[in-house]
Amino acid sequence: KNEVEQSPQNLTAQEGEFITINCSYSVGISALHWLQQHPGGGIVSLFMLSSGKKKHGRLIATINIQEKHSSLHITASHPRDSAVYICAVRRKRNNDMRFGAGTRLTVKP
Amino acid sequence: GAVVSQHPSWVICKSGTSVKIECRSLDFQATTMFWYRQFPKQSLMLMATSNEGSKATYEQGVEKDKFLINHASLTLSTLTVTSAHPEDSSFYICSARDLPFLTSGSMWAQYFGPGTRLTVL
Repeated sequence: KNEVEQSPQNLTAQEGEFITINCSYSVGISALHWLQQHPGGGIVSLFMLSSGKKKHGRLIATINIQEKHSSLHITASHPRDSAVYICAVRRKRNNDMRFGAGTRLTVKP
Repeated sequence: GAVVSQHPSWVICKSGTSVKIECRSLDFQATTMFWYRQFPKQSLMLMATSNEGSKATYEQGVEKDKFLINHASLTLSTLTVTSAHPEDSSFYICSARDLPFLTSGSMWAQYFGPGTRLTVL
């Protein structure tokens, strides 16, 4: 079983919709990252969280350490948000990172 | 914000040749750099961790003699794919970690490069 599970695997939305991507993990972590990977492959780090909630523009990330769960929300989605969103955790034990399989988001105009 | 660059962004080479990929941290010192590989429609897989001035630590199943990593300075790490074969074709991504900043605890920030697409013919 993967230590980091994301859902859904694929997501299609209409422009303007509110989007939620979920991430559950099964190991002790020191931090959780949300990454955005564009079709060309380049990766952008969106958030790094260890507790609570962070907001940047239309993006919101939350984490519940007790439940080992994080969510990434996109408000007023736009076609340019189409990308693969990856959840990654830094394991406390080894201080290394483990990645989810990614959620492929397509936002249609 | 912190930036990590990779060069080249893509490379096509013949089977049997060696390819070098550079990873640079542009505005910070990275004592630790990571090399990942990503096959199509799969997630990133860690290949190795390199600390400046010391030998890289390779993940299980990654051949250290095939994937040579050099981290000679605090801003540069290189990955050389030796005697490349078509099965080495992949997207290679480096990531650099800066020093922890001290708040209520310490947190390492990790930054990702844009990746290098290697195609071996």
